[in-house]
Amino acid sequence: GNSVTQMEGPVTLSEEAFLTINCTYTATGYPSLFWYVQYPGEGLQLLLKATKADDKGSNKGFEATYRKETTSFHLEKGSVQVSDSAVYFCAPRDAGKSTFGDGTTLTVKP
Amino acid sequence: GAVVSQHPSRVICKSGTSVKIECRSLDFQATTMFWYRQFPKQSLMLMATSNEGSKATYEQGVEKDKFLINHASLTLSTLTVTSAHPEDSSFYICSALYRTEAFFGQGTRLTVV
Repeated sequence: GNSVTQMEGPVTLSEEAFLTINCTYTATGYPSLFWYVQYPGEGLQLLLKATKADDKGSNKGFEATYRKETTSFHLEKGSVQVSDSAVYFCAPRDAGKSTFGDGTTLTVKP
Repeated sequence: GAVVSQHPSRVICKSGTSVKIECRSLDFQATTMFWYRQFPKQSLMLMATSNEGSKATYEQGVEKDKFLINHASLTLSTLTVTSAHPEDSSFYICSALYRTEAFFGQGTRLTVV
């Protein structure tokens, strides 16, 4: 089956700092790749996705590029805000089933 | 976009009772839905795949007699936690497939006391 290795947290940054959360995966097939965000006490929200090699997903200033050669999908943001504080999950999906990373807790301080 | 609604969002029940959680696709039909479980400060683990009109497929280690799944219509799947115990307290999230996308419900926080 698929597996995901996500950068361990927690990550604490100052506002406007650069963010990288690493994600690598193993898959038997050719999965679509997703990043989800979970705010405290809430469900999952899709942040961005990429469905094929070299695709770049982007949303709200976050970006991630599907790197098939390195089986990676690292999340980046150039300038984080306090409102970005949340838990971020990397999740490849194959045949509809999502496999989630352990989640990375991001705290952004003013 | 497609909307998936879960109900209730929070529930507290007594040990030994059963609790039903509903997952509805509001504006699309979903032949396949998934149920996940999330322990505090942990990731989501797939529990089962729910297929409309047929039996659910459970992941290894998930007790099918304890977590009953019924997908009786194209817009509704239910998860019933039977004879709940405190260790069943968790955050349960469903997702529904629409074309190539999976849309997640907002989750149900179950607390068994």
